[in-house]
Amino acid sequence: AQTVTQSQPEMSVQEAETVTLSCTYDTSESDYYLFWYKQPPSRQMILVIRQEAYKQQNATENRFSVNFQKAAKSFSLKISDSQLGDAAMYFCAVGNAGGTSYGKLTFGQGTILTVHP
Amino acid sequence: DTGVSQDPRHKITKRGQNVTFRCDPISEHNRLYWYRQTLGQGPEFLTYFQNEAQLEKSRLLSDRFSAERPKGSFSTLEIQRTEQGDSAMYLCASSPRGGRTDTQYFGPGTRLTVL
Repeated sequence: AQTVTQSQPEMSVQEAETVTLSCTYDTSESDYYLFWYKQPPSRQMILVIRQEAYKQQNATENRFSVNFQKAAKSFSLKISDSQLGDAAMYFCAVGNAGGTSYGKLTFGQGTILTVHP
Repeated sequence: DTGVSQDPRHKITKRGQNVTFRCDPISEHNRLYWYRQTLGQGPEFLTYFQNEAQLEKSRLLSDRFSAERPKGSFSTLEIQRTEQGDSAMYLCASSPRGGRTDTQYFGPGTRLTVL
């Protein structure tokens, strides 16, 4: 079984500042991938960034980057130059890259990010 | 490409009634997933299809739940004899054919309220 833990129920950041959201996970799979999804209020889930476990290089997407520590099973998200539109619930998720549960995602409980102007 | 669509967006029903939700995936996506999300929580996996074949079902999917994906296109999720505990957002996601990674694209969800 896979588990994902987001220990920060809420975070806040000033506009233009940097914030880091934490995520730890546990999986018995050797081949997996990790995601951060964003869910704005009353809107649908949007992919922010993804990381394949076999890649050592941390993924980046514009202002979003991750710090992937495979041995520690840690996958944090850093948002630089925060914008008001970044305000949302952020979910960390892990998915199998193979096997019988291929593609099934296990999500954390989420972190609500508030951006102050 | 219009993205994943779900219908209806909201459903209010009385306990004991049957409800059916529909999901239309992104065109040519061969994998389709259903998740359930309760307020303030992350989505929980329910089931998934590869084309028309249902490959995995969660233990959350009791015998009152059934999902189909005829012809490998749209999918329906039916809940029979609804209970108040079924109240949740039901999310559908699809992912493209092939490749190592399986980025899932989510629909807007169907919010079910059971009175």
